Amino acid sequence: NAGVTQTPKFQVLKTGQSMTLQCAQDMNHNSMYWYRQDPGMGLRLIYYSASEGTTDKGEVPNGYNVSRLNKREFSLRLESAAPSQTSVYFCASRRTGSETQYFGPGTRLLVL
Amino acid sequence: DQQVKQNSPSLSVQEGRISILNCDYTNSMFDYFLWYKKYPAEGPTFLISISSIKDKNEDGRFTVFLNKSAKHLSLHIVPSQPGDSAVYFCASTGNQFYFGTGTSLTVIP
Repeated sequence: NAGVTQTPKFQVLKTGQSMTLQCAQDMNHNSMYWYRQDPGMGLRLIYYSASEGTTDKGEVPNGYNVSRLNKREFSLRLESAAPSQTSVYFCASRRTGSETQYFGPGTRLLVL
Repeated sequence: DQQVKQNSPSLSVQEGRISILNCDYTNSMFDYFLWYKKYPAEGPTFLISISSIKDKNEDGRFTVFLNKSAKHLSLHIVPSQPGDSAVYFCASTGNQFYFGTGTSLTVIP
């Protein structure tokens, strides 16, 4: 089992460019999450999906969109990247009935 | 407003000694608490958790204590080992997951 995988590992964008961060899990988990980690801010929830076909905003959703493509995949899209979106992005998944989240290795994004 | 706070950004401890990492939360409705460990360039991994109906949970060298009246939890690592050097995040669940800002633990050999 690969667990939670994220692509790409690292990306540099120019302001205004768009991109999609990909996340997939092979644990048959219902819930999936996108977080960003910034220095001094910890992990902040961007969006989450409690089940296939549903998505909800987290703490910092502005500037992002998500798609729960199927049970395995949950993508995060930046339509017009801004320097404030420079961060490390983590995807996570969770089995229904458990509070434990399993995290991917992260995507490091730099917006110039 | 930070719902989960870790006021110590860093902690250094000698190998073999106890490491105590602290976490405070603001919402008395939080009913489950977790600690995650994170190495550089990796995602966080689950370490230990505690339900609000308990005040202590132990797993090997790791013990989490919960003081609901003070809205405070702590993670004790005994004995500390160099491999424990990492960033530790506490997290709590209500209708969403909230993470603290992390404490970077360095265990000195």
